[in-house]
Amino acid sequence: DQQVKQNSPSLSVQEGRISILNCDYTNSMFDYFLWYKKYPAEGPTFLISISSIKDKNEDGRFTVFLNKSAKHLSLHIVPSQPGDSAVYFCAASAKGGGNKLTFGTGTQLKVEL
Amino acid sequence: KAGVTQTPRYLIKTRGQQVTLSCSPISGHRSVSWYQQTPGQGLQFLFEYFSETQRNKGNFPGRFSGRQFSNSRSEMNVSTLELGDSALYLCASSLLTGPQANTGELFFGEGSRLTVL
Repeated sequence: DQQVKQNSPSLSVQEGRISILNCDYTNSMFDYFLWYKKYPAEGPTFLISISSIKDKNEDGRFTVFLNKSAKHLSLHIVPSQPGDSAVYFCAASAKGGGNKLTFGTGTQLKVEL
Repeated sequence: KAGVTQTPRYLIKTRGQQVTLSCSPISGHRSVSWYQQTPGQGLQFLFEYFSETQRNKGNFPGRFSGRQFSNSRSEMNVSTLELGDSALYLCASSLLTGPQANTGELFFGEGSRLTVL
């Protein structure tokens, strides 16, 4: 039962353009959502997060949007840079769940010159 | 500030053997979580320890166990290894303000790559 889904295993964009990575969830108890980035041979690193009381959070080139009614969130990267090429994981946690995160299967982003 | 350290980085075992993986969290972090990453499955939560107590447990069989020491270092053990246990095992630490806190912002180590033959 995949409670967090990333339906696009890969995405390719040109440098300077916008990258949009999508994530859907099914569990209504999730109240905190995060994006992690992972390079090969490294552990995932935290990118940006959003609480369910918000619908948008920005941090530099990265913006996360949350649509609770649709149980959908997205990560926008503008402008995309070659160094952004990595696997991006969407994750969710439920109140009281401590640090138990439910991850999606990841989207491989490739930013081309 | 040193990051999360996992040892060993790579190991090969055969079916039926057992394995112990170690994790040293970031100094001051009291929460340690373990995740299994396999191709196509993403990261799956194994368990979380806080102040030597298991706080949460994922849906893994009893062959998977863990513990945390008073210095917050953690170990996980897998007994009676199966081929399907081949995976990258990731440890993550977090600074929690209390047992009910929920930051979700984890700092991951580079992982221990286990291959079961």
